[in-house]
Amino acid sequence: GNSVTQMEGPVTLSEEAFLTINCTYTATGYPSLFWYVQYPGEGLQLLLKATKADDKGSNKGFEATYRKETTSFHLEKGSVQVSDSAVYFCALSERGNTGKLIFGQGTTLQVKP
Amino acid sequence: DGGITQSPKYLFRKEGQNVTLSCEQNLNHDAMYWYRQDPGQGLRLIYYSQIVNDFQKGDIAEGYSVSREKKESFPLTVTSAQKNPTAFYLCASILARGSGNTIYFGEGSWLTVV
Repeated sequence: GNSVTQMEGPVTLSEEAFLTINCTYTATGYPSLFWYVQYPGEGLQLLLKATKADDKGSNKGFEATYRKETTSFHLEKGSVQVSDSAVYFCALSERGNTGKLIFGQGTTLQVKP
Repeated sequence: DGGITQSPKYLFRKEGQNVTLSCEQNLNHDAMYWYRQDPGQGLRLIYYSQIVNDFQKGDIAEGYSVSREKKESFPLTVTSAQKNPTAFYLCASILARGSGNTIYFGEGSWLTVV
């Protein structure tokens, strides 16, 4: 079946450091890929998405590129801020049912001033 | 403003009691979903509904029940048959099936069973 694997956390960085959170997936067909962010005690917010191979999703300085050859969708940011501290989830959805998401286990990011 | 409203935000119940979590959306979305989140884990799909009066089991439906009598409402009942009900529950909705549409999540409901 379909699955998503994320790097384990927590990831602790100093402000302005470079961020990479790895995400790989297993899926049949051509899924859409997503990164969601969850701040403490809140629901999930869509951070970025990509719907086909080689697409790059970007938002708020975060980027991720849909790599079909390596089945990856790594999240990157060039310079993190304290306000980026949150849990980040990689997810995929199958074609035809975008709301039926399969999530990775989440990666906690802590950014220290 | 349009959005998804979940209530209550926090709920405590005694073991063996059924409890119903409310989810209402005014986005005119067709499909609605319930996910469960446990500490340190991703979300897992409990039930979903793509049209009124119809719903399907997700990956972890045992011990839960839902109804979809109105387009804007998708309540989730956590029954006494659910062995580990303490969790964070998230409701979500999306405009229609197909690719390209964005799913929206509610703020979540914390259920603690003591």
